[in-house]
Amino acid sequence: KAGVTQTPRYLIKTRGQQVTLSCSPISGHRSVSWYQQTPGQGLQFLFEYFSETQRNKGNFPGRFSGRQFSNSRSEMNVSTLELGDSALYLCASSFTGEETQYFGPGTRLLVL
Amino acid sequence: KNQVEQSPQSLIILEGKNCTLQCNYTVSPFSNLRWYKQDTGRGPVSLTIMTFSENTKSNGRYTATLDADTKQSSLHITASQLSDSASYICVVSADRLSDDMRFGAGTRLTVKP
Repeated sequence: KAGVTQTPRYLIKTRGQQVTLSCSPISGHRSVSWYQQTPGQGLQFLFEYFSETQRNKGNFPGRFSGRQFSNSRSEMNVSTLELGDSALYLCASSFTGEETQYFGPGTRLLVL
Repeated sequence: KNQVEQSPQSLIILEGKNCTLQCNYTVSPFSNLRWYKQDTGRGPVSLTIMTFSENTKSNGRYTATLDADTKQSSLHITASQLSDSASYICVVSADRLSDDMRFGAGTRLTVKP
């Protein structure tokens, strides 16, 4: 069974631009969560989607948004990028969100 | 103040030895607690997840314990291997309705030959 995939793996953007990251969960998984990881803040929860609905949301500004499609694939969008948005963005999937999550390899975003 | 505190911050042990990592939390209400292993430059790997009613769960050489009364969890690694060198992160989730997840800063474990 294929694991969680994320695209792109690496991305370089400039301040003010916007970016869209994609995550394909393991087949059959309906819960997709997004995390931001930085050396200074560690791992932080962004939001969780389940059956195309945002079910949980972390403490991030409205520039960070996401959505989930009927096939459970999810996208995360960051608008008006700031230097501090440079981070590894991880996606994780599970069947319902209450059991073991499987993480993707992440998308490393660099904002210049 | 972080509601999830992990100790020690870093740990060096010899291959074959056992070790225990600690996680204390003040998150309330409590839904579940997860331990993750993260190799440098890679995404976290889920080791265990425990709910309020569970007090121990094993995954191979990893055994997690949970005392919901004292709000403490530990991750015990048996017969350590060089590949156990990684960061171990404790994540505590509050009641799902409050969408609150708190992450510990992690313990950096180095296993030396």
